[in-house]
Amino acid sequence: AQSVSQHNHHVILSEAASLELGCNYSYGGTVNLFWYVQYPGQHLQLLLKYFSGDPLVKGIKGFEAEFIKSKFSFNLRKPSVQWSDTAEYFCAVNPRAGNNRKLIWGLGTSLAVNP
Amino acid sequence: SAVISQKPSRDICQRGTSLTIQCQVDSQVTMMFWYRQQPGQSLTLIATANQGSEATYESGFVIDKFPISRPNLTFSTLTVSNMSPEDSSIYLCSADRAGHYEQYFGPGTRLTVT
Repeated sequence: AQSVSQHNHHVILSEAASLELGCNYSYGGTVNLFWYVQYPGQHLQLLLKYFSGDPLVKGIKGFEAEFIKSKFSFNLRKPSVQWSDTAEYFCAVNPRAGNNRKLIWGLGTSLAVNP
Repeated sequence: SAVISQKPSRDICQRGTSLTIQCQVDSQVTMMFWYRQQPGQSLTLIATANQGSEATYESGFVIDKFPISRPNLTFSTLTVSNMSPEDSSIYLCSADRAGHYEQYFGPGTRLTVT
C-alpha cells in the first residue's frame, strides 16, 4: 500500500537553528509532492509543492524542499527558524495514476521553536 | 487559491444524534474532499464529494454513517449520523481545481460527542 513516512514526530529547536524535516513515500510512479503547515488554531495551508522540473522548490516564509527521486524523499528545510514557525508540518503525496486526485498524508511533525 | 468556509466551527452533540456540516467554496472547484483529523494527528480521508453523483468513500467509511451531498460546484455537506463518542474529531473540507492538485482547506469543524 502507498504510504508517507515522516521521520520526526516532535522537533524542538531554538530560534536561528536550521531545520530539516524528513519525508519519504512508497510509490514507484510519478508523484506530486506537498508540504502543508498548520499553525496553532489555524487551518492547513500549503507551504510548497513539487510537480516537475527543478527538484529544489521554494515555498513561503523561507522554506524549501528537495525532491530526490532515487530516495523517494521530499525533505523540508529552512536555514534559520523563527518562533513563529512553531506549527504542525505535514508531508503529502499525490500518486499520479489516471485521474487520481487523492493525497496520501504523513503523520505530521510537531515543531516547537523556543525564543 | 480558494477560500473555504465551514459551518458550524464547533459543536457538542449527544450520542445518537446527527450533525450536518456545511462547506462553501468561494469559487468553482473540481474536487471536494472530506477528512477527519484527531487533534495532533494526521488526516484521514473519509470520501470524495462528486458533483451530481454519489460520493466515493474510503475503506472504513460508509454512506449510511457519513452521507455526503454536493449539489453544485461550490457547496458540499457531510452528515455524521447516529453519533457516538468515537466520532469526536475535527472534520475538514478541502477542494482542488482541474489541473491543480494542491488542496485548499477549510478551518474545520470540531465535533464533540457526549
